[in-house]
Amino acid sequence: DTEVTQTPKHLVMGMTNKKSLKCEQHMGHRAMYWYKQKAKKPPELMFVYSYEKLSINESVPSRFSPECPNSSLLNLHLHALQPEDSALYLCASSRVSLGYNEQFFGPGTRLTVL
Amino acid sequence: GIQVEQSPPDLILQEGANSTLRCNFSDSVNNLQWFHQNPWGQLINLFYIPSGTKQNGRLSATTVATERYSLLYISSSQTTDSGVYFCAVCSSNDYKLSFGAGTTVTVRA
Repeated sequence: DTEVTQTPKHLVMGMTNKKSLKCEQHMGHRAMYWYKQKAKKPPELMFVYSYEKLSINESVPSRFSPECPNSSLLNLHLHALQPEDSALYLCASSRVSLGYNEQFFGPGTRLTVL
Repeated sequence: GIQVEQSPPDLILQEGANSTLRCNFSDSVNNLQWFHQNPWGQLINLFYIPSGTKQNGRLSATTVATERYSLLYISSSQTTDSGVYFCAVCSSNDYKLSFGAGTTVTVRA
């Protein structure tokens, strides 16, 4: 099984709302990632978790708060977002191995901030 | 960080045509992946190919790591091949995938 699932598929939220994006994988991967993709641009890395610990934060604003409750789940908590945060949010997972770390992506959550 | 350049930026093909997409990268890599992003945003893994040659149906890829480039070949293109093709790499001591800007492929019937 090479599937990464994400919920919800679409999310519309106001600037004062709090919401969460969820990601799940059952490939036994111990590295999980959040990416943000704006229209007509490539994905940009936001966070990397390795063995359920945050290992990379690409200077993401604190209104985005990641959480890795266990080896299969990754959440992204959203609070006080701005309209410019509207984007496709992609989750990925891989093995923790510099020798082989092919990343597999979920279908994404399309977020609109009003 | 590692720089990734893809060419051409846009490609329009007639159904049945063949094409080659190119990816140049600025440093040695331990991971190179080709993806196809469909109109719904899903990134589909095409190849994991830090070196060598692989084939999968009508698609094939070659990476020449010593010369820091990779090529993706699409043969007998179909309308379902339309979308954006991304090349992405990790440097030898990193898990961070750096993406190229992508090649937008349009296949016309």
